[in-house]
Amino acid sequence: AQSVTQLDSQVPVFEEAPVELRCNYSSSVSVYLFWYVQYPNQGLQLLLKYLSGSTLVKGINGFEAEFNKSQTSFHLRKPSVHISDTAEYFCAVRSGAGSYQLTFGKGTKLSVIP
Amino acid sequence: EPEVTQTPSHQVTQMGQEVILRCVPISNHLYFYWYRQILGQKVEFLVSFYNNEISEKSEIFDDQFSVERPDGSNFTLKIRSTKLEDSAMYFCASSDDWLEQYFGPGTRLTVT
Repeated sequence: AQSVTQLDSQVPVFEEAPVELRCNYSSSVSVYLFWYVQYPNQGLQLLLKYLSGSTLVKGINGFEAEFNKSQTSFHLRKPSVHISDTAEYFCAVRSGAGSYQLTFGKGTKLSVIP
Repeated sequence: EPEVTQTPSHQVTQMGQEVILRCVPISNHLYFYWYRQILGQKVEFLVSFYNNEISEKSEIFDDQFSVERPDGSNFTLKIRSTKLEDSAMYFCASSDDWLEQYFGPGTRLTVT
């Protein structure tokens, strides 16, 4: 079985400041990792994904994440946030062993303060 | 840009009633999924569907739940006899391969 932990339920940050949203996972098999964003009253939108290869992955809207196998982490970062980044962010993991289901963390609400 | 749509956006029903939540996946996608999120909790996988049959389901997806693709465009989730604890946001998703699942905006189900 796999699980995902997002340690921070809420992260307030000032506009143009950097932000890091933390995600740790546990799994007994190889995994694929995802970050999704949910804006108010909308569905989940994929920000970026790690499947294999380079551990630093870049996504939409200037976000990037780094896969760290030894620390079982996949933290999301942005060097300078905008008001429009205010949303809830979900980390998710999928087993590489033939399963299609995503296992999600509880989400982190990012609030960007003007 | 193609998107997954879900109807209704909000459904209120009485305990014991049947509900059907509807989804229109992206047209060329072959894999379909339902997830739910109880308020304040994680998004949880319910079921995946491929080639007109369930390919995977979670422990939550018991005999009260069923899924169907009644025609070439819709994908439905039926709850036969709703319970209070079925109150949640239900998300439909679809994918054309195993790489990326596209999610709909969700249906908020309230069981009273």
